[in-house]
Amino acid sequence: GENVGLHLPTLSVQEGDNSIINCAYSNSASDYFIWYKQESGKGPQFIIDIRSNMDKRQGQRVTVLLNKTVKHLSLQIAATQPGDSAVYFCAERYSSYKLIFGSGTRLLVRP
Amino acid sequence: EAQVTQNPRYLITVTGKKLTVTCSQNMNHEYMSWYRQDPGLGLRQIYYSMNVEVTDKGDVPEGYKVSRKEKRNFPLILESPSPNQTSLYFCASSDRTLNYGYTFGSGTRLTVV
Repeated sequence: GENVGLHLPTLSVQEGDNSIINCAYSNSASDYFIWYKQESGKGPQFIIDIRSNMDKRQGQRVTVLLNKTVKHLSLQIAATQPGDSAVYFCAERYSSYKLIFGSGTRLLVRP
Repeated sequence: EAQVTQNPRYLITVTGKKLTVTCSQNMNHEYMSWYRQDPGLGLRQIYYSMNVEVTDKGDVPEGYKVSRKEKRNFPLILESPSPNQTSLYFCASSDRTLNYGYTFGSGTRLTVV
């Protein structure tokens, strides 16, 4: 969205570098986690997910790590590109019908 | 193409004038939900529906109404909009497992003056 980036923590990286975006989640009982990407003027889009019985999952250029001990998720983006500039946020599935969203991190990619 | 369609994309209205934001999904999803997104506050759930004729309040339901008469449609109604409802609104849908989370619409930017 147009103003969704205001007040968000911002990560600035050089094009080609790797990016790491972090998220602390709320509930030990959450069993499933998702990373979303939100580009300006668009709705959030699914990037990658991970279940609580896993600690790592890899996609194309993205990797999600889950540390249940400290309730922490991270999203790693390899070889960051200008098209990766967006707001990223995590979501946890707290129950069969409830997703809780984090507040997000804005990623800026410097050319 | 699988999608959630909401209309309008942009809306400017005056305080107290009833409005409806429409939402439709073509994925035969059971779950539908409305969120508002405000700077610094992230996505907050307004109402959700687990199936036809089944709706429930989310975290910020005051000032909003919804209905789910058909599986594909989930309109958001503001009976008497106020300036504090100026926000970016998203409709979203999911199957009953929430695997892959919600599929979101493109958003409705609402301004109440």
